[in-house]
Amino acid sequence: GDSVTQMEGPVTLSEEAFLTINCTYTATGYPSLFWYVQYPGEGLQLLLKATKADDKGSNKGFEATYRKETTSFHLEKGSVQVSDSAVYFCALSPSYNTDKLIFGTGTRLQVFP
Amino acid sequence: DGGITQSPKYLFRKEGQNVTLSCEQNLNHDAMYWYRQDPGQGLRLIYYSQIVNDFQKGDIAEGYSVSREKKESFPLTVTSAQKNPTAFYLCASRNEAGLPTEAFFGQGTRLTVV
Repeated sequence: GDSVTQMEGPVTLSEEAFLTINCTYTATGYPSLFWYVQYPGEGLQLLLKATKADDKGSNKGFEATYRKETTSFHLEKGSVQVSDSAVYFCALSPSYNTDKLIFGTGTRLQVFP
Repeated sequence: DGGITQSPKYLFRKEGQNVTLSCEQNLNHDAMYWYRQDPGQGLRLIYYSQIVNDFQKGDIAEGYSVSREKKESFPLTVTSAQKNPTAFYLCASRNEAGLPTEAFFGQGTRLTVV
């Protein structure tokens, strides 16, 4: 079945460092891809999304490009801040059932000043 | 303001008891979801509903039940048949079932069996 694989955390960075969180997926057809962020004790918030191959989603300095050839949707940010510390989830919505949202296990990011 | 409200935020249950977690949304969304979050396992889908009076099992439905009598409400009952119910439960909704739109999440309910 469809699935999402994320790099294990925690990812620990100093402020202003470059961030990459890897996400790869297995799916039939052309799923839609999402990154969600969860701050401590809260629910998830959509960070960005891409609905077709080569689309780039971006928000708040974060970017991710839908790569069909490598089945990847890696999250990047050029300069992280302490306030970016959170858990990041990659997710997909299958093309055959767009009502489903399948999540990865999440990657915890810790940014220190 | 529009959003999703989950209650209570913390819930304690004795073994053998059923408990019901509330989820209400005023976003006029068609689809609603329940996820369970455990450390290191991400979010796993319990049930989802695309329309009133209809719902589908997710990947881990055993020991849970839901109802969708109103568009804005999607309560989850954790029954005594659920062997390991201690977890963080998240409710979500999406507009226009059938489209890959953004999911909005509630703040979650942390359930602990005592």
